[in-house]
Amino acid sequence: GNSVTQMEGPVTLSEEAFLTINCTYTATGYPSLFWYVQYPGEGLQLLLKATKADDKGSNKGFEATYRKETTSFHLEKGSVQVSDSAVYFCALSGQSGGSYIPTFGRGTSLIVHP
Amino acid sequence: DTAVSQTPKYLVTQMGNDKSIKCEQNLGHDTMYWYKQDSKKFLKIMFSYNNKELIINETVPNRFSPKSPDKAHLNLHINSLELGDSAVYFCASSQTTFYSYEQYFGPGTRLTVT
Repeated sequence: GNSVTQMEGPVTLSEEAFLTINCTYTATGYPSLFWYVQYPGEGLQLLLKATKADDKGSNKGFEATYRKETTSFHLEKGSVQVSDSAVYFCALSGQSGGSYIPTFGRGTSLIVHP
Repeated sequence: DTAVSQTPKYLVTQMGNDKSIKCEQNLGHDTMYWYKQDSKKFLKIMFSYNNKELIINETVPNRFSPKSPDKAHLNLHINSLELGDSAVYFCASSQTTFYSYEQYFGPGTRLTVT
């Protein structure tokens, strides 16, 4: 079956530091890839997505590139802010038995200190 | 207008009781989901309905029963509540056009079983 593996947290950074959260996946066919963000006490929100190989998704200074050769979709941001503190989920939507099934990673908590 | 709404936001109840959580989406999406998030933020998909038809039914106790009266609503009924059912339950929706399966999440229902 499909699976998503992302680095364990928490990731703790100082403001303006560079962020990378690693994500790799296993899936048949050509899944769509997503990063979702969950702020404290809220539901998940779509942060960015990519639907085919070499696509780059970007939003709010975050970027991720769909790398089919390494089955990866790492999340990066050049300069994090305290307000970026949240849990980040890597996810895919891939075909399984005729339906598109969402698969989530376990989430990575990011803590940004002033 | 809230895109995906859930009621109630908090639910505190005793073991053995029966409770329901309601979800509504006003996005015109054709697919809705229920997820359970544990205290470590792990997100587990429970059910999914596409146009009122059950398409995902993961391994959950049969005390949990989803009901979709129409494609804008997906309710979750839980019988004989147990301590282990304590978690945050999220409803989500998506439009299953080809390559576009991003999900929109509700704010969550925090269920506490005492």
